[in-house]
Amino acid sequence: DAMVIQNPRYQVTQFGKPVTLSCSQTLNHNVMYWYQQKSSQAPKLLFHYYDKDFNNEADTPDNFQSRRPNTSFCFLDIRSPGLGDAAMYLCATSRDGLGYTFGSGTRLTVV
Amino acid sequence: AQKVTQAQTEISVVEKEDVTLDCVYETRDTTYYLFWYKQPPSGELVFLIRRNSFDEQNEISGRYSWNFQKSTSSFNFTITASQVVDSAVYFCALSEAWTGGGNKLTFGTGTQLKVEL
Repeated sequence: DAMVIQNPRYQVTQFGKPVTLSCSQTLNHNVMYWYQQKSSQAPKLLFHYYDKDFNNEADTPDNFQSRRPNTSFCFLDIRSPGLGDAAMYLCATSRDGLGYTFGSGTRLTVV
Repeated sequence: AQKVTQAQTEISVVEKEDVTLDCVYETRDTTYYLFWYKQPPSGELVFLIRRNSFDEQNEISGRYSWNFQKSTSSFNFTITASQVVDSAVYFCALSEAWTGGGNKLTFGTGTQLKVEL
């Protein structure tokens, strides 16, 4: 089945140690998004790729970066994770913004 | 700026009761999309429905129904004969029309629904 896959499902990282979360899709959607969802809060958009064009939200900290080497893959890099970055990270895809498919998420713990 | 308000933080019902989750939105766009998502404890977001701004027909899918009223900027969600498996956080979301550069979903703060036996 066509889908959005996030690995790993759970990630534990040390304070200040760079971490990368991955997302892959078999839907051939041209838009990919990364959302951050902290406990008991709504998902918040960090950035998105429209094809190869990167679009950063104005309030996304510089500590967060993203790469999209090809249509199928998108990575979220956190350069120096802090305790406040512990959250669920959700990847989503869409074709031209019509209909979003979310992955199962990666729950990040910072110790 | 877009905004979605879900005033009900938490609702508790007894199984088989009907329950309505409220959603009010704000947007300056004339073309937009509204969504409902279910988030069970496992964390994934499960798509329930998408409605575009030009389609005000109510929709029913099994025990689920949605009432879209542009006059009051509301998009409410009703579960009939609730079941324990309906327990989850439900998010209402708004997306502006595609403008060629991608767009984003703006989520409400969610409503935690607890269905008890």
